[in-house]
Formats: sequence, structure tokens, C-alpha cells
Amino acid sequence: GESVGLHLPTLSVQEGDNSIINCAYSNSASDYFIWYKQESGKGPQFIIDIRSNMDKRQGQRVTVLLNKTVKHLSLQIAATQPGDSAVYFCAENKPDSWGKLQFGAGTQVVVTP
Amino acid sequence: DTEVTQTPKHLVMGMTNKKSLKCEQHMGHRAMYWYKQKAKKPPELMFVYSYEKLSINESVPSRFSPECPNSSLLNLHLHALQPEDSALYLCASSQVVGDEQYFGPGTRLTVT
Repeated sequence: GESVGLHLPTLSVQEGDNSIINCAYSNSASDYFIWYKQESGKGPQFIIDIRSNMDKRQGQRVTVLLNKTVKHLSLQIAATQPGDSAVYFCAENKPDSWGKLQFGAGTQVVVTP
Repeated sequence: DTEVTQTPKHLVMGMTNKKSLKCEQHMGHRAMYWYKQKAKKPPELMFVYSYEKLSINESVPSRFSPECPNSSLLNLHLHALQPEDSALYLCASSQVVGDEQYFGPGTRLTVT
């Protein structure tokens, strides 16, 4: 069925390195994507979003890339810090079900010193 | 004020109890959401309110009853829950339906 999924369940990154978290989606009609960060014991925190009319968007230390040809989304974190350790979820919002965020399975990012 | 608050943080209830979860936001958002999240899983949508009216019910059992008394408040009334309903219940809000959603810290519910 249609789903949003992640390639890697766990990502171990050395402090200071760049992180790349990947996400695949199967619905070519999806036109809005969001990345969330969830730390242990907390609710998901909005990081960055991107609409399908863009292929790249940058925030503070984060960049989201969207490749509609292969239905792939990625989140890049520059100079990863210990505070970046968390579970990262991608989510898609399909135009025929506006308001219904469909989350991917999540990637656990572990930052090592 | 840019946060969504939820009370209580933790709740333990028996299967015959009636309890309520509360959510509040003062960002002027007109869409509010309830999600259920099991351990190591992504959040699953339960209900969506738009302008204080229920717009989406994801086939949630009737033992969960949402209520939106005004544009800032969202409640989830619980009755006759099952142990498998134990989870983290998250509230979120957005400017309008379809905009980026901002989540509260959740209520950790344990049904005994």
C-alpha cells in the first residue's frame, strides 16, 4: 500500500560530522512534506517542511532535499551535536486527505563523541 | 506563546474508570489534532478538529470521545479503556488544517 518509510532505522554519527536521514514515499500525488524530531519523553518537534514545487529548502543547520523523480526525501544536519540525538520522522500530507499527516517509521540518530 | 500544553503528564487508570485528557494552545490556531503513539512507533492520527468542528475521525473506538469546547481547548474523554490503549497521547495544532502541526509533550497513559 501507499506509505512513507525510512531506509535506516538507526544512524550513528560522530559529533561534528554531517548527518543524512533518508525517507522514501510512494504516493506521487503527495505535495507537502515535514520533518519532525522527537527526543525521549517529548512530543515531536517541527524541524522543517517542503512543498512539492521545491527541491531544496534550508534552515538553521538543516537542509531538506526532495527528489520527486524517485520519490525520495532527505534531511541533512550539518555539524551534528549531542543535542541532535533523537528519533527523526518524515511525514507526508496528501492533497486528497488534507490534514492527515502520514508518518514514516522513524530513524534513531545517535551522536557519539 | 508558541506552545501546546497537555495535562496530565502521566495518567494511570483502571478499565472501569472515566478520565479526560486536556490540551490547550494560545497561538490562535484553528485546527487541533489527537494522536496516539505506541513505543518506538510513529504517531497515529485519531481525530482532527477544524474551527471547533470534528472533521476527521480515523475510525477510533467510541471509548475515546473528543471534545473541542472552544478554539483553544481540546479534550479527549476516556471510558472503559483496554490495556492495549496504553500509549502516549499527543495533541497538536496548526494554523488551519494542512499547515505545519505543532505538538504538545503528550500524556503517558497506562491502563491497568
